[in-house]
Amino acid sequence: SYELTQPPSVSVSPGQTARITCSGDALPKKYAYWYQQKSGQAPVLVIYEDSKRPSGIPERFSGSSSGTMATLTISGAQVEDEADYYCYSTDSSGNHRGVFGGGTKLTVL
Amino acid sequence: QVTLKESGPVLVKPTETLTLTCTVSGFSLSNARMGVSWIRQPPGKALEWLAHIFSNDEKSYSTSLKSRLTISKDTSKSQVVLTMTNMDPVDTATYYCARIPGWLLYGMDVWGQGTTVTVSS
Repeated sequence: SYELTQPPSVSVSPGQTARITCSGDALPKKYAYWYQQKSGQAPVLVIYEDSKRPSGIPERFSGSSSGTMATLTISGAQVEDEADYYCYSTDSSGNHRGVFGGGTKLTVL
Repeated sequence: QVTLKESGPVLVKPTETLTLTCTVSGFSLSNARMGVSWIRQPPGKALEWLAHIFSNDEKSYSTSLKSRLTISKDTSKSQVVLTMTNMDPVDTATYYCARIPGWLLYGMDVWGQGTTVTVSS
């Protein structure tokens, strides 16, 4: 079955730029979405359709996609950005099955 | 305000069938290309997509769980129901439903708070 691959962890100091990658064979043809999940909370959409930011999401969150890799960038990461981040997309079958990456724990300290 | 709320049993026994209900408000399940996904998350583990259903009754299921899952909707009640048969302790997880708005292509924008299900005898 289709898989999205993320690094298990990323660590940055406050104010630095954090980059979280997500690789998948179908990403050249399918959108990537990014979700932030803080401890004990439901996920929150932070990037949709590769690079668009929902209203209310800080401008320091941005997304890009090239070839088989999508990237979530947090420019000037804040302590409050510490969370698990998941990429999401669909497979290339006609059924459009969803798939999440394994998640990346972002530590900001 | 768009909200989704999951409901269902807290505890189920192995081999039983789990039935979860997602009750939505602030939007209609009959709106063009509106959909709802179910997602689960075992304790300490990653999110896992389970299934989705759209206003036109288009459905899709996780390949690995397809034989155990059924998703349906009752537009008049603003509810989406997921059933999972033959429950096992490895199915212990928090189960979420989330909206797929008509303007997103299969992505989810608003999530419910989740409901925790434990499978144990």
